[in-house]
Amino acid sequence: GNSVTQMEGPVTLSEEAFLTINCTYTATGYPSLFWYVQYPGEGLQLLLKATKADDKGSNKGFEATYRKETTSFHLEKGSVQVSDSAVYFCALSERSGAGSYQLTFGKGTKLSVIP
Amino acid sequence: GAGVSQSPSNKVTEKGKDVELRCDPISGHTALYWYRQRLGQGLEFLIYFQGNSAPDKSGLPSDRFSAERTGESVSTLTIQRTQQEDSAVYLCASRPGPRVSTEAFFGQGTRLTVV
Repeated sequence: GNSVTQMEGPVTLSEEAFLTINCTYTATGYPSLFWYVQYPGEGLQLLLKATKADDKGSNKGFEATYRKETTSFHLEKGSVQVSDSAVYFCALSERSGAGSYQLTFGKGTKLSVIP
Repeated sequence: GAGVSQSPSNKVTEKGKDVELRCDPISGHTALYWYRQRLGQGLEFLIYFQGNSAPDKSGLPSDRFSAERTGESVSTLTIQRTQQEDSAVYLCASRPGPRVSTEAFFGQGTRLTVV
């Protein structure tokens, strides 16, 4: 079945540091890939997505590139801010053999940015 | 409403009681998912509904868990004979349709505490 593996947290960075959160996946076909973010006290919301190989998703200074050869979708940001403190979830969506459009999440990585 | 609505937002129940959780998806969204998020953990898939198709129940952890959805509207998740390990946040999400590339919109969740 499908699976998503992302780096364990928590991650603590100083403001303006570079961020990378690794994500690799297992899928049988051609999934779409997503990063969702959960800010403290809020619900999950989409941060960015990529729907085919070599696509780059970007939003709010975050980027991730769909790498089919390495089955990866690492999240990066050049200069983090305190307001980026949140839990980040990598996810994939693929149509199963039974016709179900599954949406599978990683375990989440908690990021804390300190001033 | 504009977003996915879940009720109640919090539920405290005694061990052995049954509970019913409700999800109102975004109008017109044919796909609906239920997830469980234990404290500090990732999202655990429970069940997926797509229109009038048979639901994907592959994530339900035991026969104490069941869910229903009438057409493309409200869904209810029922947990019978609750146990302490059922304590978690139960999240509902909806998507516009059966496509792998579409964004999922999440509700704020129902925090279930079994005492």
